[in-house]
Amino acid sequence: GENVEQHPSTLSVQEGDSAVIKCTYSDSASNYFPWYKQELGKRPQLIIDIRSNVGEKKDQRIAVTLNKTAKHFSLHITETQPEDSAVYFCAASNEKLTFGTGTRLTIIP
Amino acid sequence: SAVISQKPSRDICQRGTSLTIQCQVDSQVTMMFWYRQQPGQSLTLIATANQGSEATYESGFVIDKFPISRPNLTFSTLTVSNMSPEDSSIYLCSVGQGVPYEQYFGPGTRLTVT
Repeated sequence: GENVEQHPSTLSVQEGDSAVIKCTYSDSASNYFPWYKQELGKRPQLIIDIRSNVGEKKDQRIAVTLNKTAKHFSLHITETQPEDSAVYFCAASNEKLTFGTGTRLTIIP
Repeated sequence: SAVISQKPSRDICQRGTSLTIQCQVDSQVTMMFWYRQQPGQSLTLIATANQGSEATYESGFVIDKFPISRPNLTFSTLTVSNMSPEDSSIYLCSVGQGVPYEQYFGPGTRLTVT
């Protein structure tokens, strides 16, 4: 089955700097790669996703890149703000989602 | 996206008992999923619930322990049977929309087994 690895497990950045979270996947049949943000005590929220026919997607301060050949994808957050502090999960899907282990992002004011 | 609710939001149960968690969606959806999230951990898929057919369980999860119902396109239940402290976790339902399925999560049920 699919295996998704996510790095780093924790990340601290100064407010205003950029943050990058990286994931790799194992199943070449996976064709959908969402990212979720989970604040403490809340449900995971879908913040951005990318499909296998696209290399990059951007939504305001958030962007995701996909390299199908290398089987890795990344989340980029620019101009970070305190409200970006949360746990972020990547996932890969070929009908069902397999999640990475999560990255706890802390924005330092 | 769909509005998803779960009941109960939390519960404390004694070992050996069972708890049924309900998931309600405000629109018809084809796919519903049940996940477990242990404290500080990632999400693990328990099963996929399709209306009108048996749920499909992932490795490590069995129907006798986690029976699932899906009577219509807006509702599903997950029962955690014969509970032990190891079942203490957050249980989340999600709904799948579009192809491939974008998944949106319910608020979760925090279960503590004593």
